[in-house]
Amino acid sequence: GAGVSQSPSNKVTEKGKDVELRCDPISGHTALYWYRQSLGQGLEFLIYFQGNSAPDKSGLPSDRFSAERTGGSVSTLTIQRTQQEDSAVYLCASSFSGAETQYFGPGTRLLVL
Amino acid sequence: AQSVSQHNHHVILSEAASLELGCNYSYGGTVNLFWYVQYPGQHLQLLLKYFSGDPLVKGIKGFEAEFIKSKFSFNLRKPSVQWSDTAEYFCAVNAHSNTGKLIFGQGTTLQVKP
Repeated sequence: GAGVSQSPSNKVTEKGKDVELRCDPISGHTALYWYRQSLGQGLEFLIYFQGNSAPDKSGLPSDRFSAERTGGSVSTLTIQRTQQEDSAVYLCASSFSGAETQYFGPGTRLLVL
Repeated sequence: AQSVSQHNHHVILSEAASLELGCNYSYGGTVNLFWYVQYPGQHLQLLLKYFSGDPLVKGIKGFEAEFIKSKFSFNLRKPSVQWSDTAEYFCAVNAHSNTGKLIFGQGTTLQVKP
C-alpha cells in the first residue's frame, strides 16, 4: 500500500514568513509523529498524535511551532515567523498505534533565507 | 533525560569486511529498540527492531542486532558488508512510558569501498 507522503518536498522561504508542511500518514495508522533532522542536532522528536488523545508536544522547540491533525488523518506542521535555524528536513512518521514500528515519509526540506 | 549514544560517527570499510555499530541508551525501564537506515537520497527505513523475546534479532539484508539489557546496548552487526550498504544508520529507542516518541542516536555514516 501507499506509504507516508509529505508535501512539499522542498520549501524555500524568507526569514519571518510562515510555512505549512503537510503529512499524509498510512491509512489506518492511528499514531502520527513529526521529527526534525538537522546537521547539528540529528533527529529530534517534535510532536506526537495518538487517536483522539491530547498530543504530546514536548519536543516543539518554541511557540512558533504548532501542529494539528484533522479527522485523525492528515497533519499540518506550521512554523510561524521562520528563522534561519529552522532550516532542516522535517520528517513525518506514522504507526498502527503508539510504541509500534514507525514508518517514515520522505521529508520536507526547509530552507530559510 | 533519556539519550541514545552511537559510538561511531563515520565508518569506512572494504567490501566483505565485518561490521559492528555500537548503540547505548540511558533508560532504566522497558524499551523498544530500533535500527533505521537511510540510503543516499532515500527516506528512513526500518532495518530491524526488538520488542521482547530473543535478544538476538535479525533484520533485512543480513543485518542483526543483539540487545544486552545489562549493558543498555543494542549493537548492529553484519558479517560481510557490501558496497550497497553505504548509508547512514540510526539507533532509536522508545521508552514504554514515554508515549510513542523515538529518541535517536546521532547516526553513523557507513562508507563501503568496492
